[in-house]
Amino acid sequence: ILNVEQSPQSLHVQEGDSTNFTCSFPSSNFYALHWYRWETAKSPEALFVMTLNGDEKKKGRISATLNTKEGYSYLYIKGSQPEDSATYLCAFGSSGDKLTFGTGTRLAVRP
Amino acid sequence: AAGVIQSPRHLIKEKRETATLKCYPIPRHDTVYWYQQGPGQDPQFLISFYEKMQSDKGSIPDRFSAQQFSDYHSELNMSSLELGDSALYFCASSFQGGGQPQHFGDGTRLSIL
Repeated sequence: ILNVEQSPQSLHVQEGDSTNFTCSFPSSNFYALHWYRWETAKSPEALFVMTLNGDEKKKGRISATLNTKEGYSYLYIKGSQPEDSATYLCAFGSSGDKLTFGTGTRLAVRP
Repeated sequence: AAGVIQSPRHLIKEKRETATLKCYPIPRHDTVYWYQQGPGQDPQFLISFYEKMQSDKGSIPDRFSAQQFSDYHSELNMSSLELGDSALYFCASSFQGGGQPQHFGDGTRLSIL
């Protein structure tokens, strides 16, 4: 059983704060690391897919880094806005198409 | 832009009945994935198809089967339904699988009475 862990489980921040969360995954048999944003009553939305150690991806105020040797990825949100409130899921791909999802970090941004 | 379409959105069945869930991927996507999300749980990968062939298999019960058709849509067939099968079933699609981002449908909520 693959262990994909995310921390913290939940996070409450004030509008304008910058924040980050962690995804830990097995460091062996790495193929890809996905990040998804999941709003209540909607389907998950793909943010990033990273495949190379040291990868850094950016989409607006959101960015992510990847360390495959030590098995972690960070997701950063700069200047959080209330519309950033969602659950952020990471998913680890070891080979083929199968993804193992973490339990998510629930972010709430207060106006 | 066209998204992944799942039908039905909601389905209510009784124990031991059968159910068929349908998924229509984004046009030109050739890979389809099925996930099951139980109450309060993270999504669990069930099965995936690439170019109409099964490409990967996860924790899919033997009572379930799936296939991808020539138009790339996929169907998840569930038989001998049990109470524990009550869940949200997501379908996702991508182009060429593997390290490509998956685009999710809105899910089918299956309730077993």
